[in-house]
Amino acid sequence: KNQVEQSPQSLIILEGKNCTLQCNYTVSPFSNLRWYKQDTGRGPVSLTIMTFSENTKSNGRYTATLDADTKQSSLHITASQLSDSASYICVVSAMNRDDKIIFGKGTRLHILP
Amino acid sequence: ETGVTQTPRHLVMGMTNKKSLKCEQHLGHNAMYWYKQSAKKPLELMFVYNFKEQTENNSVPSRFSPECPNSSHLFLHLHTLQPEDSALYLCASSLTPGLADSTDTQYFGPGTRLTVL
Repeated sequence: KNQVEQSPQSLIILEGKNCTLQCNYTVSPFSNLRWYKQDTGRGPVSLTIMTFSENTKSNGRYTATLDADTKQSSLHITASQLSDSASYICVVSAMNRDDKIIFGKGTRLHILP
Repeated sequence: ETGVTQTPRHLVMGMTNKKSLKCEQHLGHNAMYWYKQSAKKPLELMFVYNFKEQTENNSVPSRFSPECPNSSHLFLHLHTLQPEDSALYLCASSLTPGLADSTDTQYFGPGTRLTVL
């Protein structure tokens, strides 16, 4: 069954520190992987989109990596800011028609001053 | 902010009521989506429209009825809902549909927080 597992469920770090969020998936055949940021009470905002051939993609202080062999992705946040407090959602798409888009439950990140 | 607006932002309704959620996108996109986001559950894709035609219905109960009169507007008509339907309903759009086949960015609206009593 196609699944997307994110870890940790929640994370608390101090402002200015770096952190890494994990996404493991069993989706096959793989098409692409997206990371979204969702602030409380708002809709998700796209951070990165990666296809099979891409290993890393950056968007400002956000850097996503993809290892298609081990079916793992990570989202690294550098020099965290208070505004980074949000849920981060990993979404993996499959090439076949069933379970085409599978969402993770997200990681809730809290940045403390 | 994202170019996708949703109204109302909050809605409380009884199980016998009929209400509608509205979504409008100002991005010139051709594909629009409805999602349901329940607490502590992943986002669930409900419906996909491409050029006003429904291309995907993920086994959504008939008490949810979508309508797409044009590629800029999307409605979700609600009737005889259940308390477990309480959730955040998100609308999104993208230039082309088929998120699995393309790398188009999907833009989400702020959502409608629905409470069914």
